[in-house]
Amino acid sequence: DAKTTQPPSMDCAEGRAANLPCNHSTISGNEYVYWYRQIHSQGPQYIIHGLKNNETNEMASLIITEDRKSSTLILPHATLRDTAVYYCIVRVNTGTASKLTFGTGTRLQVTL
Amino acid sequence: EPEVTQTPSHQVTQMGQEVILRCVPISNHLYFYWYRQILGQKVEFLVSFYNNEISEKSEIFDDQFSVERPDGSNFTLKIRSTKLEDSAMYFCASTRDRGQETQYFGPGTRLLVL
Repeated sequence: DAKTTQPPSMDCAEGRAANLPCNHSTISGNEYVYWYRQIHSQGPQYIIHGLKNNETNEMASLIITEDRKSSTLILPHATLRDTAVYYCIVRVNTGTASKLTFGTGTRLQVTL
Repeated sequence: EPEVTQTPSHQVTQMGQEVILRCVPISNHLYFYWYRQILGQKVEFLVSFYNNEISEKSEIFDDQFSVERPDGSNFTLKIRSTKLEDSAMYFCASTRDRGQETQYFGPGTRLLVL
C-alpha cells in the first residue's frame, strides 16, 4: 500500500470547517483513500473513502486531487466531539480482505 | 446500526497466564481482524481470518497467539502465555464481503499484563 503523509496536529474552532490534508504521491491506480478517526483510545471509526471522485456522506467530504496524489478530508462544521486522531490510509480493495496500515495520523483539536 | 462488540472491556492478568479476548462481529460480515495498539503507539495489524482460516498474519502474531471462530457469532483471540509487552488495547474489526471492504472496529479490550 502507498505511504501517506499527514501533519501531526491541527487546531480548528468549533463551528468552522476542519480541512485535514493527506499526501499520497505514490498512490497507484487501484488504491483507494480511506479516512478513519480514533477518539481517545476508542476503536478506529470509519469516516469515508474514495477512489478518484469526490465523496460526501453524513460525516464528511473527501476531496481527491485530479492526479490523486493528495486528498483533503473536510468536516464542514467541527464540534468538540470531533477532537480525535484522523488517519488517512491508502489501500487496494483486492477482495482478499487486506489489512489496514495505520500511520501516526493528524491529531485534530477542536476548540471553543 | 449494527456494530462490533468486544468483551471484556478491561482485563488484568499475571504474566504467563492465558487470556481470551472475545469479539462479536457484525452479523452478516465474513472477514474478521484483530489489531492492537500499545499505549501511545500506532494501531498495528495482527491477523485476518476468513472461512475458518487465517488469511494473513503479521510478525507480531507468533505461536503465542491464536484465533478461532468457535460458533456462528464469536471471534476470539487467545494469548497462551502473556508477556508484559502484550499490554495494549486490542481491537476486533469485521467487513462484509469482497465487494465491501470497509472495516468496522469494535471498542477494544484493554489488556494489562502484570
